[in-house]
Amino acid sequence: NAGVMQNPRHLVRRRGQEARLRCSPMKGHSHVYWYRQLPEEGLKFMVYLQKENIIDESGMPKERFSAEFPKEGPSILRIQQVVRGDSAAYFCASSLRTSGIVEQFFGPGTRLTVL
Amino acid sequence: QQQVKQSPQSLIVQKGGISIINCAYENTAFDYFPWYQQFPGKGPALLIAIRPDVSEKKEGRFTISFNKSAKQFSLHIMDSQPGDSATYFCAASPSIQGAQKLVFGQGTRLTINP
Repeated sequence: NAGVMQNPRHLVRRRGQEARLRCSPMKGHSHVYWYRQLPEEGLKFMVYLQKENIIDESGMPKERFSAEFPKEGPSILRIQQVVRGDSAAYFCASSLRTSGIVEQFFGPGTRLTVL
Repeated sequence: QQQVKQSPQSLIVQKGGISIINCAYENTAFDYFPWYQQFPGKGPALLIAIRPDVSEKKEGRFTISFNKSAKQFSLHIMDSQPGDSATYFCAASPSIQGAQKLVFGQGTRLTINP
């Protein structure tokens, strides 16, 4: 019973390049959340998606960031034209339920370094 | 309104002692309060969680105490062990459908000295 999977685990990009982070939720989970963790800080919510729908993107920067969760395949967090301030750990979580207590299970994260 | 404030930032406890981490929130819509444990280089793992209809929940050496009127909750780790050394995050969320994003505290780096 595999948990939430994220890849790559480490990603190095130069300023101006694109970063694509992938997240495969736990089996049977159709809800995905992305969080960003800056060094020595807590996790900050970015976006909440269900299959083919963005439910809440209130934590997403207005420019350069986008997310999708297609009918088939993993969820993708895309960062265009990366800048040094995008260097962080990006965590994906998935959940099963749609209401009541929504227990979120986290993946191991992708650590993005922008040179 | 959306913040969860956590203290202390770091904590050193002797083996066998009690570790206590505190959190406070403002948003009265929050009704789910989990604690996560994170080891270096890993993702957060759910440790224990509580709803506001109870004042305390215990699982093994870990206990959450909840004070609804004060809007505060805390994690107690009894008989702390070196393996408990990690960063602990409190979080809060409303259980309203479509609004289940977790709001995290800033984290507490716990070190248990042998």
